[in-house]
Amino acid sequence: GQSLEQPSEVTAVEGAIVQMNCTYQTSGFYGLSWYQQHDGGAPTFLSYNALDGLEETGRFSSFLSRSDSYGYLLLQELQMKDSASYFCAVLDSSYKLIFGSGTRLLVRP
Amino acid sequence: DAGVIQSPRHEVTEMGQEVTLRCKPISGHDYLFWYRQTMMRGLELLIYFNNNVPIDDSGMPEDRFSAKMPNASFSTLKIQPSEPRDSAVYFCASRQNTGGSRETQYFGPGTRLLVL
Repeated sequence: GQSLEQPSEVTAVEGAIVQMNCTYQTSGFYGLSWYQQHDGGAPTFLSYNALDGLEETGRFSSFLSRSDSYGYLLLQELQMKDSASYFCAVLDSSYKLIFGSGTRLLVRP
Repeated sequence: DAGVIQSPRHEVTEMGQEVTLRCKPISGHDYLFWYRQTMMRGLELLIYFNNNVPIDDSGMPEDRFSAKMPNASFSTLKIQPSEPRDSAVYFCASRQNTGGSRETQYFGPGTRLLVL
């Protein structure tokens, strides 16, 4: 079977740093993606990791460890507008994206 | 580019009626995906096309669902007959073939379907 595990909810304070984890078990693996979705909106692409290590894009960083079937998304200098759901997604051997159930991030002032 | 365009944005219909959802992908994108999102099941891939050809429809829940892509700029997802459990947000997404170096799907705004 295929499964991705993400914490359901995370709360953090404006200006802080938050890490959202993702563990996966899938049939084949090409890479791990992260998407952001605001309430009532569409998922938007944040990052993609095909190789082990850290990828940084502004305030967002994404990490992958293929040997541990684990990744995380790191958000720095949190802003109120970062309150949203964050989905990890595995690109499997059929070249399909399999999405996790998402982590709902609440940023408090 | 205007991004992925979907219509209608909202649809309310009665059980048993036919529903047709429409999608225009980003120009130049080779892949088109249809997803369904519900609170219970999350974001599920229904079907995807490559160069207008259906590649994998294993996510289509039942024969009541069908999808077509008659050309590179248009796709439809049809539900006939519709049932209340089909109520969900349906997203269309497209992607350009980058040789596997980067996997970025661009999602449309979605169609919010309510079947009464």
